[in-house]
Amino acid sequence: TQLLEQSPQFLSIQEGENLTVYCNSSSVFSSLQWYRQEPGEGPVLLVTVVTGGEVKKLKRLTFQFGDARKDSSLHITAAQPGDTGLYLCAGRVYNNNDMRFGAGTRLTVKP
Amino acid sequence: DAGITQSPRHKVTETGTPVTLRCHQTENHRYMYWYRQDPGHGLRLIHYSYGVKDTDKGEVSDGYSVSRSKTEDFLLTLESATSSQTSVYFCAIRGEPNTGELFFGEGSRLTVL
Repeated sequence: TQLLEQSPQFLSIQEGENLTVYCNSSSVFSSLQWYRQEPGEGPVLLVTVVTGGEVKKLKRLTFQFGDARKDSSLHITAAQPGDTGLYLCAGRVYNNNDMRFGAGTRLTVKP
Repeated sequence: DAGITQSPRHKVTETGTPVTLRCHQTENHRYMYWYRQDPGHGLRLIHYSYGVKDTDKGEVSDGYSVSRSKTEDFLLTLESATSSQTSVYFCAIRGEPNTGELFFGEGSRLTVL
């Protein structure tokens, strides 16, 4: 069982649709990050959230950290084919130095 | 560019042989991590280091050892490779100490026959 549970595992949508990806845990995190990974490359950081209830926006992407710092969501508005990729959430467990990842959400946006 | 290089990028080996993967950074960061990535599992932490000669186990450390004799190099060793260790291995450095943001290398694809 992974510390961070991501859902859905796969998501295939049409261009222009909205979507939300969830990242949940029973543990409290000091911070939580979202990464995007392209085939054959390492993950690339999109955003870090630190404060419970925090909301950050990156163009059409909206990231939210749960009030209790145990969960997070990524919402994409008007998805585009360029958004296709593997989205990973990761967190630093409170008072710990290891960084744990969810299993990822593979998003496909069809033109 | 986070200044992380992994070597080798690709390796095919046979069961029972030793394998060492190298991660080199030019940024002088204290924390370095080794992950493996397999379909359906995302990235799983193998070992990490919080300084020279200071390392700790992650969630899938069995069958792996690490060493960090210099700040810039973090080595991952498979003493006797098994087919279950066929995977893509990623090294990462932690940029911001408090928030834990990671910057990754390009990965090392290991196939154990």
